[in-house]
Amino acid sequence: QQQVKQSPQSLIVQKGGISIINCAYENTAFDYFPWYQQFPGKGPALLIAIRPDVSEKKEGRFTISFNKSAKQFSLHIMDSQPGDSATYFCAASISGYALNFGKGTSLLVTP
Amino acid sequence: GAVVSQHPSRVICKSGTSVKIECRSLDFQATTMFWYRQFPKQSLMLMATSNEGSKATYEQGVEKDKFLINHASLTLSTLTVTSAHPEDSSFYICSAPAGGSGELFFGEGSRLTVL
Repeated sequence: QQQVKQSPQSLIVQKGGISIINCAYENTAFDYFPWYQQFPGKGPALLIAIRPDVSEKKEGRFTISFNKSAKQFSLHIMDSQPGDSATYFCAASISGYALNFGKGTSLLVTP
Repeated sequence: GAVVSQHPSRVICKSGTSVKIECRSLDFQATTMFWYRQFPKQSLMLMATSNEGSKATYEQGVEKDKFLINHASLTLSTLTVTSAHPEDSSFYICSAPAGGSGELFFGEGSRLTVL
């Protein structure tokens, strides 16, 4: 059973545009929501994470928006660059326990 | 951030042999480490939770006798794929929580190819 549902499966954005990836979860006990970026052949790298006590967190060009009542969270990549082309995974967990990953979104940023 | 190192990064073995993959936390201690498996163009699926000084906890459907996990110290966990078969070919990734934030750090992954 997929505990975190992620969409879209793939995304093509022009350079300079905004990339938006959405995730939804069911387990209200989750209290940690990270986003990971993964390049081919590499392990996932943490991009940004949020906890349910805040509705938004921004780090550079990356922003997480969190809607606790809707049990949804999203990643916004502003001014998308070709170097951002990668697979992005949302995840959720109860702190200290293993992450439950979404299925991933393959992002392609065209020049 | 914290560093998790995996070795080897790539391994090719013959069917029926065993392969050991190491996961080390380089600058922090980890009483718990998580082992994930990732097939091409798919998500990461949790295989097992490795606990220092005690038995690993395996997810449903993961054969504990095939995927042996040992967490011998606070900085090292190993995954041994025993009697490997071609269907075991996959990308194996370990992770460990660092600090009290719950943040997980991932290793670079180990690509196993079984011929």
